[in-house]
Amino acid sequence: SQTIHQWPATLVQPVGSPLSLECTVEGTSNPNLYWYRQAAGRGLQLLFYSIGIGQISSEVPQNLSASRPQDRQFILSSKKLLLSDSGFYLCASTGTGMGNEQFFGPGTRLTVL
Amino acid sequence: GENVEQHPSTLSVQEGDSAVIKCTYSDSASNYFPWYKQELGKRPQLIIDIRSNVGEKKDQRIAVTLNKTAKHFSLHITETQPEDSAVYFCAASGSGGSYIPTFGRGTSLIVHP
Repeated sequence: SQTIHQWPATLVQPVGSPLSLECTVEGTSNPNLYWYRQAAGRGLQLLFYSIGIGQISSEVPQNLSASRPQDRQFILSSKKLLLSDSGFYLCASTGTGMGNEQFFGPGTRLTVL
Repeated sequence: GENVEQHPSTLSVQEGDSAVIKCTYSDSASNYFPWYKQELGKRPQLIIDIRSNVGEKKDQRIAVTLNKTAKHFSLHITETQPEDSAVYFCAASGSGGSYIPTFGRGTSLIVHP
């Protein structure tokens, strides 16, 4: 099965600072990759998904961006963080095609002060 | 697009009782229905899933049922234990070639010892 790594695990950043969160996947090739955000006590909000290198689709317009420089690497970035960017960021991966199990990484807890 | 409704939002039971969480979906073409358990501060983890060609699936104390005609599926947990306390999410995917699961809003299950 797949293993998903995320780092850092915890991050505290000031408003207006940049952000870079990294996700790497092991145990599969050409996965579909996803970034989710989860506010405290809330559900999963899909931010971005990617079906291949350089192919990124945005689900929610905001000050975040994503990139996929390698097949099993997915990066979430921001040039200037907002207070509302605080949350639990989860990277997820599925095999190609429909109806496949989605595996989640351990997450990054981001606090913007 | 797909819409998934999940009820109840909170469920409180006594240890040993059964718990049932229900989800409805809108797109009859969805064909994969996973359930995730998320403990506090942790990642969602798949606990059971069902595909549209099956009506019921069991794994020890956990079962999922699917009614394609009515477009709803349910998670059943028997003989609940305190360690079952968590947030549970349902999801639906596979509709129209989509590789993006649509999640319910989650159910917070509390099992009192």
